[in-house]
Amino acid sequence: GEDVEQSLFLSVREGDSSVINCTYTDSSSTYLYWYKQEPGAGLQLLTYIFSNMDMKQDQRLTVLLNKKDKHLSLRIADTQTGDSAIYFCAEKDTGFQKLVFGTGTRLLVSP
Amino acid sequence: DTGVSQDPRHKITKRGQNVTFRCDPISEHNRLYWYRQTLGQGPEFLTYFQNEAQLEKSRLLSDRFSAERPKGSFSTLEIQRTEQGDSAMYLCASSLGRPEAFFGQGTRLTVV
Repeated sequence: GEDVEQSLFLSVREGDSSVINCTYTDSSSTYLYWYKQEPGAGLQLLTYIFSNMDMKQDQRLTVLLNKKDKHLSLRIADTQTGDSAIYFCAEKDTGFQKLVFGTGTRLLVSP
Repeated sequence: DTGVSQDPRHKITKRGQNVTFRCDPISEHNRLYWYRQTLGQGPEFLTYFQNEAQLEKSRLLSDRFSAERPKGSFSTLEIQRTEQGDSAMYLCASSLGRPEAFFGQGTRLTVV
């Protein structure tokens, strides 16, 4: 079955880079996503990558995909205190509309 | 375009009562999704509509849960005979048949 795993917690200092990692099991994944959730709020789509791509860059965000190892990462450059939130990795399977989410990584950015 | 709108934002109900939540998707988005998120977990898929047709349902959607999207615009999610285990954040998302799906702020349900 599908499973998406993430480390639970990451702490960085303001101005450093953050790297949040995710592994997934479904080899049929077509799209992989990163969402951000602030306390008590819904999910904000940050970026997504198609499974035939290795990398996608969007301003401070860089997504790397290693399809062989089923490993996805999100790098946030110049991390700010406003980046403190929970970050969810999600995958979408071929032929289905649902997203399968990981349990989320809580990012804490200290000044 | 104000994004996906959910109402109410918070709901407290007594065990055994019925509750109904509403979701208004982004205008012209033909696809609508419901997810449930419990504390410390990622969202779990409940159901998916394309226009007014309910095309996918999770096994999580027990017979106490029903969702509708009668005119292919807004959607409602009803939970009958609520249980304490139903306490969660209920999230709605919409998309236009492209990879991006946009989420609302959610309805937080507390069953006491």
